[in-house]
Amino acid sequence: QKEVEQNSGPLSVPEGAIASLNCTYSDRGSQSFFWYRQYSGKSPELIMSIYSNGDKEDGRFTAQLNKASQYVSLLIRDSQPSDSATYLCAVPPGAGSYQLTFGKGTKLSVIP
Amino acid sequence: ETGVTQSPTHLIKTRGQQVTLRCSSQSGHNTVSWYQQALGQGPQFIFQYYREEENGRGNFPPRFSGLQFPNYSSELNVNALELDDSALYLCASSPVLLDNEQFFGPGTRLTVL
Repeated sequence: QKEVEQNSGPLSVPEGAIASLNCTYSDRGSQSFFWYRQYSGKSPELIMSIYSNGDKEDGRFTAQLNKASQYVSLLIRDSQPSDSATYLCAVPPGAGSYQLTFGKGTKLSVIP
Repeated sequence: ETGVTQSPTHLIKTRGQQVTLRCSSQSGHNTVSWYQQALGQGPQFIFQYYREEENGRGNFPPRFSGLQFPNYSSELNVNALELDDSALYLCASSPVLLDNEQFFGPGTRLTVL
């Protein structure tokens, strides 16, 4: 069974610090990787997508992908209380798949 | 640009009843996927529709069924509701088939009593 694993947390970081969120996946054929942010009681919001090994930066967010280790991470720099949410890692199980397999999410709390 | 919309926002049903949930995809998006999210879990893929045809299905029983209409809007139907069907039901749209960048609507919270 294709799996996406995340540490459920909660992960607590002080305001202004770097938050590091990690995700591992089981299917070596996966080609695209996504991070969603979900506030309590709301739906997931796509914040980052990454397709190639290495880093991808977008504002305060950096996604890092290592296909050899089957590992994708999300770094949030200068964390703000408004970043407090659950972060979901999503991976299509194999090349050309049309569905997303989600991890259970990591709950992040940014302490003012 | 109009985002993904879903209706209703909340729904309460009793065990054994049937329910229909509705979704309008984002403008220009022709692919719609449905997910079920139980409390404390990540979303679970139910099925996807492309050009009015089911294009893939997750591990859900046949009492979960759907439709897509020519305007790319979609319905999720669940028959013979069970208590475990209580969840947030999410619709996501994509601009093209196999583009896994999926954008979610606000969801429908279904409670089965």
